[in-house]
Amino acid sequence: QQPVQSPQAVILREGEDAVINCSSSKALYSVHWYRQKHGEAPVFLMILLKGGEQKGHEKISASFNEKKQQSSLYLTASQLSYSGTYFCGTGTGNTPLVFGKGTRLSVIA
Amino acid sequence: NAGVTQTPKFQVLKTGQSMTLQCAQDMNHEYMSWYRQDPGMGLRLIHYSVGAGITDQGEVPNGYNVSRSTTEDFPLRLLSAAPSQTSVYFCASSYSTWGDYEQYFGPGTRLTVT
Repeated sequence: QQPVQSPQAVILREGEDAVINCSSSKALYSVHWYRQKHGEAPVFLMILLKGGEQKGHEKISASFNEKKQQSSLYLTASQLSYSGTYFCGTGTGNTPLVFGKGTRLSVIA
Repeated sequence: NAGVTQTPKFQVLKTGQSMTLQCAQDMNHEYMSWYRQDPGMGLRLIHYSVGAGITDQGEVPNGYNVSRSTTEDFPLRLLSAAPSQTSVYFCASSYSTWGDYEQYFGPGTRLTVT
């Protein structure tokens, strides 16, 4: 069952902040975040593991609430290069990731 | 390292034709998977493998077949193409246990079935 992402789309001006949310109905082992530019493959940003470990991008932060099966991705001081579609992928530990439908982020000058 | 490679980049098929999408990785990853991406639907899992000789079905397996004879290669076969299979197909690999390690995606194959 796909995790639910919100918002579906957001438009920011350079320098503004954004939060993208990901929610699952299943107990989660990990949450992944990926960014996809138009016409390209998804690129890894971050993994959040049950228990609090994080691996990934230095300039992007995220949180993982295990009890609520929710994760949020925080994009601060956005740059034009942040534009793209952001996907969360949720894992239970012994099955492949299930991805949400994505959040389209547009950063304008 | 080339990472994850996919061929072809683009393909047009007629309804009823069969073909194989190729995927290879040179990172010695055990875990590989195939996703399809349709507008507004995100990435949906077709089939996956946890090692040579081991495959399993994902969320949308109908009309597709896979095999994994080597660690490096994980081809996806369309048995009898249908217009509903028009999509962008991504192959991905990861080092080990689902969820612990990042997934590396190939560049994708854009398939159109007429």
